[in-house]
Amino acid sequence: AQSVAQPEDQVNVAEGNPLTVKCTYSVSGNPYLFWYVQYPNRGLQFLLKYITGDNLVKGSYGFEAEFNKSQTSFHLKKPSALVSDSALYFCAVRVGYNTDKLIFGTGTRLQVFP
Amino acid sequence: DAGVIQSPRHEVTEMGQEVTLRCKPISGHNSLFWYRQTMMRGLELLIYFNNNVPIDDSGMPEDRFSAKMPNASFSTLKIQPSEPRDSAVYFCASNSQVGDTQYFGPGTRLTVL
Repeated sequence: AQSVAQPEDQVNVAEGNPLTVKCTYSVSGNPYLFWYVQYPNRGLQFLLKYITGDNLVKGSYGFEAEFNKSQTSFHLKKPSALVSDSALYFCAVRVGYNTDKLIFGTGTRLQVFP
Repeated sequence: DAGVIQSPRHEVTEMGQEVTLRCKPISGHNSLFWYRQTMMRGLELLIYFNNNVPIDDSGMPEDRFSAKMPNASFSTLKIQPSEPRDSAVYFCASNSQVGDTQYFGPGTRLTVL
């Protein structure tokens, strides 16, 4: 069955330090992977996606993600965290080639401390 | 572009009442999605349309829920009768083609008393 897992409910990091938010997936075939961010009382905002090509994907607000096929992971990273990065982050995977259906992870709350 | 527009932003109603949520997708987008977000179940897809036709409604909880897309610029999600367990944030999203990024609206926070 297709699935996506975010093993950490919360990640705490000091401002200026690098951050990583973890995501692993299970799909048949080649995965389409997405990261979204949700600020309080707002909708989800698209950060980046992996469809094919370079394993390192660069996205909005200085975020990037590394696709690792052997580990079936798509971790979100940023070299230097900002307090304003504090939000809820969702990883998602498209469940099939001919469908637009996404499965979302349970979300990881990122807290960046000054 | 105005993005995906949802109305109302907040809805408080009493159990048994009919609730209608509305969505206007981004102009030119061909697919529209309805999601529900709760603490217990996270973010789950309820139904999605492509070119105004329902493609996958396997996430619709039960017959009390129905969704329509009468034209390319408007969709509704209706709950009749509403129950307290329907309390959630309902998001609408749209994209331009299969596999493309889905863009989300601000959501409707529904509270059923």
